[in-house]
Amino acid sequence: DAGVIQSPRHEVTEMGQEVTLRCKPISGHDYLFWYRQTMMRGLELLIYFNNNVPIDDSGMPEDRFSAKMPNASFSTLKIQPSEPRDSAVYFCASSRGGLTEAFFGQGTRLTVV
Amino acid sequence: GENVEQHPSTLSVQEGDSAVIKCTYSDSASNYFPWYKQELGKRPQLIIDIRSNVGEKKDQRIAVTLNKTAKHFSLHITETQPEDSAVYFCAAPHTGTASKLTFGTGTRLQVTL
Repeated sequence: DAGVIQSPRHEVTEMGQEVTLRCKPISGHDYLFWYRQTMMRGLELLIYFNNNVPIDDSGMPEDRFSAKMPNASFSTLKIQPSEPRDSAVYFCASSRGGLTEAFFGQGTRLTVV
Repeated sequence: GENVEQHPSTLSVQEGDSAVIKCTYSDSASNYFPWYKQELGKRPQLIIDIRSNVGEKKDQRIAVTLNKTAKHFSLHITETQPEDSAVYFCAAPHTGTASKLTFGTGTRLQVTL
């Protein structure tokens, strides 16, 4: 298995533009997580899915953020409109759930100018 | 929810010395405590984890100890090497949701020659 795959690796966009981040979890993993990492706030859980269903989105900062998981092998995190304070590294992770390891993707470094 | 505190935020040791990173958690029901290592520009990766039914676990030069009464757990790295230089994160699950992890703020470990 190639692990959790995220795209793009880097994204530079102008304030106000829509940004879509993509994630392919490890096959067979029932849980998918979206994290945001910044120097100031560390690793924050934004939202997670179980069997493609959003379970907890309490970490999503505001309505500009949305996430979907249309099937077991694909998820998106969308920011519309983007703002400079959204600049961060966004990680997707997947796991089998319970007391098991969460595998992280390579991350997407987002810069909003 | 779970509250995880991690100390120190930075740690510098000489090659060959030991390093200890400590975390405390708030939810006495938490039962799974992973440690992740994140090298510069890379993804977080699990290095060791411990479940609440044991007090210590060791894997070569790294070990984790757990004190459930005091609600704290620690990462111990012996005979440190330059490649141990990275940011280390502890984590603990949210109440009732083992799959949802709260991460500590991270410890930047620098191993000097």
